[in-house]
Amino acid sequence: DARVTQTPRHKVTEMGQEVTMRCQPILGHNTVFWYRQTMMQGLELLAYFRNRAPLDDSGMPKDRFSAEMPDATLATLKIQPSEPRDSAVYFCASGWSGQGFTGELFFGEGSRLTVL
Amino acid sequence: SQQGEEDPQALSIQEGENATMNCSYKTSINNLQWYRQNSGRGLVHLILIRSNEREKHSGRLRVTLDTSKKSSSLLITASRAADTASYFCTLNAGGTSYGKLTFGQGTILTVHP
Repeated sequence: DARVTQTPRHKVTEMGQEVTMRCQPILGHNTVFWYRQTMMQGLELLAYFRNRAPLDDSGMPKDRFSAEMPDATLATLKIQPSEPRDSAVYFCASGWSGQGFTGELFFGEGSRLTVL
Repeated sequence: SQQGEEDPQALSIQEGENATMNCSYKTSINNLQWYRQNSGRGLVHLILIRSNEREKHSGRLRVTLDTSKKSSSLLITASRAADTASYFCTLNAGGTSYGKLTFGQGTILTVHP
């Protein structure tokens, strides 16, 4: 049963610490998305990749956030240094996109981050 | 903005009733998708409708698309308590934004047993 795997599922850290979240997309998918969800802001798109190339990271605070895809099986989202306002649930999603068509996204279960 | 906006923000109904949610948008689209999110879980894809389609069915779900009005609706028939969730629409606008899928605030559906 193919699914998107995110680690860690829960993370509690102190302000100023580095946080790395990992995502394993579904094999064969060529697009990967990172979203952040909070009660106040809802679901925000942070960054997305197609064929491992970053296409748009305009939703991401550049000074502290970075997103990469070292290879087709791994996407990472790093926050350094973390701040209490980064507390949220971070979702990774993967799908297939091509010829002007974007299909359904498959979401992971999310990484719940709490920054004290 | 290429983001869809769901309406109403919240909907409360009794089990067995139908639930209708709407999505409005402002750009041209290639396709529009509906997702469900149960509390504390990731989003789950429900249905995709292409711009050249007007209606699509999947089980108890019926989605309509009116590109002239730039709107879509999701109908859940004979609702069940298990349908309680948030529902989101997202659209693929194509062009330079193709593939960029963003979500609105969603519609919170509560189905009372």
